[in-house]
Amino acid sequence: SAVISQKPSRDICQRGTSLTIQCQVDSQVTMMFWYRQQPGQSLTLIATANQGSEATYESGFVIDKFPISRPNLTFSTLTVSNMSPEDSSIYLCSVTGGPTGDTQYFGPGTRLTVL
Amino acid sequence: AQSVTQPDIHITVSEGASLELRCNYSYGATPYLFWYVQSPGQGLQLLLKYFSGDTLVQGIKGFEAEFKRSQSSFNLRKPSVHWSDAAEYFCAVGGGNKLVFGAGTILRVKS
Repeated sequence: SAVISQKPSRDICQRGTSLTIQCQVDSQVTMMFWYRQQPGQSLTLIATANQGSEATYESGFVIDKFPISRPNLTFSTLTVSNMSPEDSSIYLCSVTGGPTGDTQYFGPGTRLTVL
Repeated sequence: AQSVTQPDIHITVSEGASLELRCNYSYGATPYLFWYVQSPGQGLQLLLKYFSGDTLVQGIKGFEAEFKRSQSSFNLRKPSVHWSDAAEYFCAVGGGNKLVFGAGTILRVKS
């Protein structure tokens, strides 16, 4: 499976600011995904990011709030904009892999606290 | 619509005892099913997956799961739990394009 790293691992931010989270993969992958895990909750898909095209957002998530870049096949960023305490969550990126490309592998996550 | 139900929010077992975590799913076609584990402060690690074939699948760390189509279930089992198994376990359905996760089951292991 791919090795996935995320930066930063955690951060504490002030209300109204923005934070960009980086996701780096050690091999080229077609699809990358961004998830949010709110405190005590399960994972919810924010968007799917394919290289060379606009990210596809799930219901309830918008590009203005969560802009995503995918400049190449090994890297993606998620920005959490104009943050509020409700954005305090763990943000995880994942990639598909495995023999059939149907398995998702996850990064270690970025723990964000908004004050 | 796809959905996953993990009926147990918390489970406590004694070290050395057997474990079964329940997962029920709703999916319109033949599902791809996954179990992930999340240790405190960590990301998700894939334990095992089912795509087709043998309905009993083996995973890492001594875990196994059984797919039962008639019951729409994919329960996770381990014959003897170790203290290091204490974590949160997520069942998920879907595939490469989209995963839908259950709410998770927190496993506590008592010595």
